Amino acid sequence: QVQLVQSGAEVKKPGSSVKVSCKASGVRFRSSAFSWVRQAPGQGLEWMGDIIPVLRTENYAQRFQGRFTISIDESTNSVYMELSSLRSEDTAIYYCARSPMIVVVSHFDHWGQGTQVTVSS
Amino acid sequence: QSALTQPASVSGSPGQSITISCTGTSNDVGGYKYVSWYQQYPGKAPKLLISDVTNRPSGISRRFSGSKSGNTASLTISGLQTEDEAHYYCSSHTASDTLLFGGGTKLTVL
Repeated sequence: QVQLVQSGAEVKKPGSSVKVSCKASGVRFRSSAFSWVRQAPGQGLEWMGDIIPVLRTENYAQRFQGRFTISIDESTNSVYMELSSLRSEDTAIYYCARSPMIVVVSHFDHWGQGTQVTVSS
Repeated sequence: QSALTQPASVSGSPGQSITISCTGTSNDVGGYKYVSWYQQYPGKAPKLLISDVTNRPSGISRRFSGSKSGNTASLTISGLQTEDEAHYYCSSHTASDTLLFGGGTKLTVL
């Protein structure tokens, strides 16, 4: 079955960076697009950006451009997100999500379990 | 970009039907067939209920259905059950080639 397994919780200082991993199994990696979606405490879902492995292209929400990077390691079917210049407002659960559509960013049929990132001095 | 507009909460009794709306613009909901709906329980990852406005993935109950008219999409849950009590989110592809979520709707089954 399809599984997206994310790395564990992180506690970071303001101004630092965090890198979260997402390992995919049971899915055709190059037939997928992978997004990162975050959810602040008690808030809704927010799409941050995606990567299409077969095209090696990334697409980011405007508000994250410049301090957010998505990358992949095809040898391990893993997707990574790195967020820099962290501030308290970045405290959230970060989800990796897989889409079967690579032409347009559409829907997510599989999600990781989420990674809690806490930014605190 | 502002989030798509959803009611903050809706409620219904077991057996009833409810509808959750999701309003956007011609640059997102109104302009594309790529509207999706997700169900999320507290502390859990979201689960896909509907894709491409009306498509129900395998394993999703027929009690869940989607539709769209103009710039507003809707999720209807028929035969409400206590297990349907959760948060529901819509999403849409946008003209900027990004994805926008709704603010979420808390469904209470009375």
